Amino acid sequence: DTGVSQNPRHKITKRGQNVTFRCDPISEHNRLYWYRQTLGQGPEFLTYFQNEAQLEKSRLLSDRFSAERPKGSFSTLEIQRTEQGDSAMYLCASSSRQGRQETQYFGPGTRLLVL
Amino acid sequence: AQSVTQLGSHVSVSEGALVLLRCNYSSSVPPYLFWYVQYPNQGLQLLLKYTTGATLVKGINGFEAEFKKSETSFHLTKPSAHMSDAAEYFCAVSDLELFNQGAQKLVFGQGTRLTINP
Repeated sequence: DTGVSQNPRHKITKRGQNVTFRCDPISEHNRLYWYRQTLGQGPEFLTYFQNEAQLEKSRLLSDRFSAERPKGSFSTLEIQRTEQGDSAMYLCASSSRQGRQETQYFGPGTRLLVL
Repeated sequence: AQSVTQLGSHVSVSEGALVLLRCNYSSSVPPYLFWYVQYPNQGLQLLLKYTTGATLVKGINGFEAEFKKSETSFHLTKPSAHMSDAAEYFCAVSDLELFNQGAQKLVFGQGTRLTINP
């Protein structure tokens, strides 16, 4: 169990550019979640995968955001035409269902700054 | 929709003193409740969780929390604070709508920053 990893850890970009983040979940975890955390706030749910299927998207996820999880392994989150309001920490979590006692394990996050 | 309110965005205690971080939730049905800790530049780590059964839940690092349905509260406590406890603490509840579909969408409070004074 090497934990959830996220890359890059930090990203600075200019407004209007596209960015892509990667999340590698704990091996064999079939569920993967993305959250966004702005300064001084708790994380907010963005989207959720079970294996390769994206089953839920928050209304926070505008059409500039897209997430994929090919083959049910790692996941990517892409933001197109970034805006300053996209500046935040993007957190990934994975879990393996254990009945109704699922536990999410979080990665260290990718901190995005849009100039 | 479910929600979580953490009373006090900043809490400061002396080393060795009692730590009390407050969390109140709103839910129309019995919730699943969680406390996570976040150290600077790191992700969230689960401290403890309440699902069913005993209302007093013990977690890691000497923390515990008590689920009080009548007060809709899930306050986090630790008898004696250590310098290493300085961090941001988040209370969270499972969103029931997604939960019934088998997923665990967490709804977080805004967090409480805990400072330990030597």
